[in-house]
Amino acid sequence: ETGVTQTPRHLVMGMTNKKSLKCEQHLGHNAMYWYKQSAKKPLELMFVYSLEERVENNSVPSRFSPECPNSSHLFLHLHTLQPEDSALYLCASSLHFGYENIQYFGAGTRLSVL
Amino acid sequence: AQKITQTQPGMFVQEKEAVTLDCTYDTSDPSYGLFWYKQPSSGEMIFLIYQGSYDQQNATEGRYSLNFQKARKSANLVISASQLGDSAMYFCAMRGLLDSSYKLIFGSGTRLLVRP
Repeated sequence: ETGVTQTPRHLVMGMTNKKSLKCEQHLGHNAMYWYKQSAKKPLELMFVYSLEERVENNSVPSRFSPECPNSSHLFLHLHTLQPEDSALYLCASSLHFGYENIQYFGAGTRLSVL
Repeated sequence: AQKITQTQPGMFVQEKEAVTLDCTYDTSDPSYGLFWYKQPSSGEMIFLIYQGSYDQQNATEGRYSLNFQKARKSANLVISASQLGDSAMYFCAMRGLLDSSYKLIFGSGTRLLVRP
């Protein structure tokens, strides 16, 4: 059983829909991350949260809106997406921010925008 | 800027044999961590092994070992006794002490196929 759970695993949405991705970690970690993995591109960090405070936003379009209500849960709210937003969205968590801290990933949500 | 280079887009290995996946990195950070992840077709990014820049010994985790050569800036992953379940994408990644972006820098990955 993975310590980081993402739902849903697959999502198909139209460009006018609103949906949310959910991530839950059961590891007692203090930091959580959203990454985007597009075909033939390296993973891109989108957002970072530490103890429910956002500490990084890598120039992500406003159609992606993160929410971290507590240190165990992380959401990514999606609205008016574009077809190029189709990708695998991965959530990760780590105990702390230090460079030596291992990031543990969930299984991802595979998103298709039609 | 930090950079990870994986020069092998794809590799084959016979079951039960050992295989080495190459990774070189570039950083000016005095302290950094190096990571290897496995990504099966299901999509999950599975942590395999970690090496700190000041660690004196090469890291080992079961069938995985990391051949760390600091002067050459290489951190190759060695998988011993390959199994069919080892077929997956493998990513090398790093993160530095002075890097304020908090992110792991990933390489482009190597697809490993284990032949029966």
